Amino acid sequence: DTEVTQTPKHLVMGMTNKKSLKCEQHMGHRAMYWYKQKAKKPPELMFVYSYEKLSINESVPSRFSPECPNSSLLNLHLHALQPEDSALYLCASSLQGTDWGETQYFGPGTRLLVL
Amino acid sequence: RKEVEQDPGPFNVPEGATVAFNCTYSNSASQSFFWYRQDCRKEPKLLMSVYSSGNEDGRFTAQLNRASQYISLLIRDSKLSDSATYLCVVTVSYNTDKLIFGTGTRLQVFP
Repeated sequence: DTEVTQTPKHLVMGMTNKKSLKCEQHMGHRAMYWYKQKAKKPPELMFVYSYEKLSINESVPSRFSPECPNSSLLNLHLHALQPEDSALYLCASSLQGTDWGETQYFGPGTRLLVL
Repeated sequence: RKEVEQDPGPFNVPEGATVAFNCTYSNSASQSFFWYRQDCRKEPKLLMSVYSSGNEDGRFTAQLNRASQYISLLIRDSKLSDSATYLCVVTVSYNTDKLIFGTGTRLQVFP
């Protein structure tokens, strides 16, 4: 089973709302990632968790707050977002996150619209 | 200069055609190389890794030239289902967790 699931599929939120994006994998992977993809642009890395510890934060604004409750789950908490944060948010996982050449498996993404 | 550059296309080709995509990368510390495929409104999926010796998977052939910092993907006998955006992806030796994506090349195969 090479599946990464994400919920919700679509999300519309106001700038004062608080919401969370969820990601789950049951492949035994120990590295999980959040990417942001704007229309007609490639994905851009936001955060990396390796063995449930935050290992990379690509200077993401604090209105995005990641959380890794356990090795299978990754959340992205959203608060006070701006309209320019509207994008497709992709979660990915890989075996360990420490070995070059590892395949990252992507979830289907959450399409977020901030009004 | 972008770290990974690709011709955005679109490449419009008939079924059965052979099409080649090129990609250049600027960081000499780049260590791993991949081609991902992304269908419209879907997530990226790994198509193949790229090795210095070149590698082939069915109709797809990938080549890497480290000296020229150049990667290519050749698709033979194009199918309608090959229509997608092809993303050139690299990682660097000091940050192997981070996939650095090119802007992607759009391929449209027509009947």
